[in-house]
Amino acid sequence: DAGVTQSPTHLIKTRGQQVTLRCSPKSGHDTVSWYQQALGQGPQFIFQYYEEEERQRGNFPDRFSGHQFPNYSSELNVNALLLGDSALYLCASGAGLLNSPLHFGNGTRLTVT
Amino acid sequence: GEDVEQSLFLSVREGDSSVINCTYTDSSSTYLYWYKQEPGAGLQLLTYIFSNMDMKQDQRLTVLLNKKDKHLSLRIADTQTGDSAIYFCAERAPTSGTYKYIFGTGTRLKVLA
Repeated sequence: DAGVTQSPTHLIKTRGQQVTLRCSPKSGHDTVSWYQQALGQGPQFIFQYYEEEERQRGNFPDRFSGHQFPNYSSELNVNALLLGDSALYLCASGAGLLNSPLHFGNGTRLTVT
Repeated sequence: GEDVEQSLFLSVREGDSSVINCTYTDSSSTYLYWYKQEPGAGLQLLTYIFSNMDMKQDQRLTVLLNKKDKHLSLRIADTQTGDSAIYFCAERAPTSGTYKYIFGTGTRLKVLA
């Protein structure tokens, strides 16, 4: 039973560039959420996707956007990267809008220089 | 406001019990979770408790919930060096037809041999 998978595992980008992170949910899950975890902090909610629509959004600027595909996989896009965007980006999946419990991938470590 | 608070550090000796505490703010939260994060990894779901329960035991883990005080604790019996990690408390609260998860900042548990 495949868990949540994310790619790539590590990424280094330059300020001002754009990045795309990818996530495949756990088998049987159809809801995908993205979280940003800065060093020494807990995960902060970015947004949630269900049925290919953004269902709720945390306190993140429009530079952060996403997409969910018909096979439930998802992408997170960040434009005009800032140094402060350096973090571990976690994808979590759940079943339907009950969204419980969340299962996490191992994350993508993004470094912006 | 939304806030989940945890103490930052806990150090115990191998074989002792560990107790990690958490306070949350949303009284409408229906589930409360404990996740474990090892270095370089994502969040691993350890256990969770429904809000109408006071206690849940799962092998070496015991979760206690005081809903009146909005206080959650995780007790790890016979703590081992492999339990060294960061532990996150999270609440699941209803919002706009779905649920949102709010995480604490994490408690770093260090187990001394």
